[in-house]
Amino acid sequence: SQTIHQWPATLVQPVGSPLSLECTVEGTSNPNLYWYRQAAGRGLQLLFYSVGIGQISSEVPQNLSASRPQDRQFILSSKKLLLSDSGFYLCAWTWPDLETQYFGPGTRLLVL
Amino acid sequence: AQSVTQLDSHVSVSEGTPVLLRCNYSSSYSPSLFWYVQHPNKGLQLLLKYTSAATLVKGINGFEAEFKKSETSFHLTKPSAHMSDAAEYFCVVRGGGGKLIFGQGTELSVKP
Repeated sequence: SQTIHQWPATLVQPVGSPLSLECTVEGTSNPNLYWYRQAAGRGLQLLFYSVGIGQISSEVPQNLSASRPQDRQFILSSKKLLLSDSGFYLCAWTWPDLETQYFGPGTRLLVL
Repeated sequence: AQSVTQLDSHVSVSEGTPVLLRCNYSSSYSPSLFWYVQHPNKGLQLLLKYTSAATLVKGINGFEAEFKKSETSFHLTKPSAHMSDAAEYFCVVRGGGGKLIFGQGTELSVKP
């Protein structure tokens, strides 16, 4: 069966520091991968998605970037965090029907 | 363009009473619709999905939803609420390229 992992689970970072969040999927090949952000009391906003290694599409302009160095690895990064980057970050995958997305446990990021 | 509107930001019910979470959608073609549940500080779990098969969809944990094209609705129901049902619920429509478009969420509270 397929599983999706995210780490760290919780992160507290100062403003201006770098960020790296990791997402990995097991038990499938060539999944579509997604990064979402959920701000407090709000719905989910799609940040990036990837249909393959090295292929990244950005949905909204922002202080973040994403990379996919391996088939089942998706990384969310920032060079300098802003206060507004605080939130709950969720990774998701889908394959093969592209219908259902399955979500990871999330990373809670607090920027101080 | 596809969109979803969750008509209630918060619903409160007593344990053992029925649950109704309302969702209206907008889509230029036959939509794929989902309901996800999110417990506090957790990732999202798929409850059920509609993909143009039976209009009454049964999901996990006793939830079901009915697709009504004439009303452009996809309301989530459960005959009898349990304390463990307290969570945030998201109505979701599938957009182009496999992307998901989320509603703003409905917080369900269950009183003993």
